[in-house]
Amino acid sequence: KAGVTQTPRYLIKTRGQQVTLSCSPISGHRSVSWYQQTPGQGLQFLFEYFSETQRNKGNFPGRFSGRQFSNSRSEMNVSTLELGDSALYLCASSLLGSYNSPLHFGNGTRLTVT
Amino acid sequence: DQQVKQNSPSLSVQEGRISILNCDYTNSMFDYFLWYKKYPAEGPTFLISISSIKDKNEDGRFTVFLNKSAKHLSLHIVPSQPGDSAVYFCAASSLIQGAQKLVFGQGTRLTINP
Repeated sequence: KAGVTQTPRYLIKTRGQQVTLSCSPISGHRSVSWYQQTPGQGLQFLFEYFSETQRNKGNFPGRFSGRQFSNSRSEMNVSTLELGDSALYLCASSLLGSYNSPLHFGNGTRLTVT
Repeated sequence: DQQVKQNSPSLSVQEGRISILNCDYTNSMFDYFLWYKKYPAEGPTFLISISSIKDKNEDGRFTVFLNKSAKHLSLHIVPSQPGDSAVYFCAASSLIQGAQKLVFGQGTRLTINP
């Protein structure tokens, strides 16, 4: 069974630009979550989608948005990039996104904003 | 507001000895706890979990202990092996409107020395 796939692996963007990251969950998984990892901050929750609906949202500005398609694939968009947005963005899927269902993570997209 | 804290950014242990990683949380609504392990350039992988109705869960060399009154959990690895060198994240989960919300700590980098 293929794992969670994130594309691209690496991105370099300039301040003010926008970026779209893609995530394909494990087949059959309907919940997709996004996390931002920065040194010293651990994994910060961005949002979770289940059956194309956003169910949970973290404390990030509106520049961060996402969506989920009918095949459960998800995209995350960041507009008006800032230097502080440089981070590893991780996508995770789970079967139902329900209580005590472990997340399966992709290898992440490393975003560098210059 | 860091609801889940791993106060040790790094830990160094000799091969064959016990590794103990600690995690504290502040939100009493958390009722499910997980540990994830992360190698460089890879996403975190699920290691072990514990429900708040238990105080101990064991899986091979890995044991997680939960002290609800102290809002503290720990991961014991014994015996430690070189392949255990990685960053370990603890995470706490609560159920919000039927959806799991997972909060991660900042991570502890474990180095196993031969």
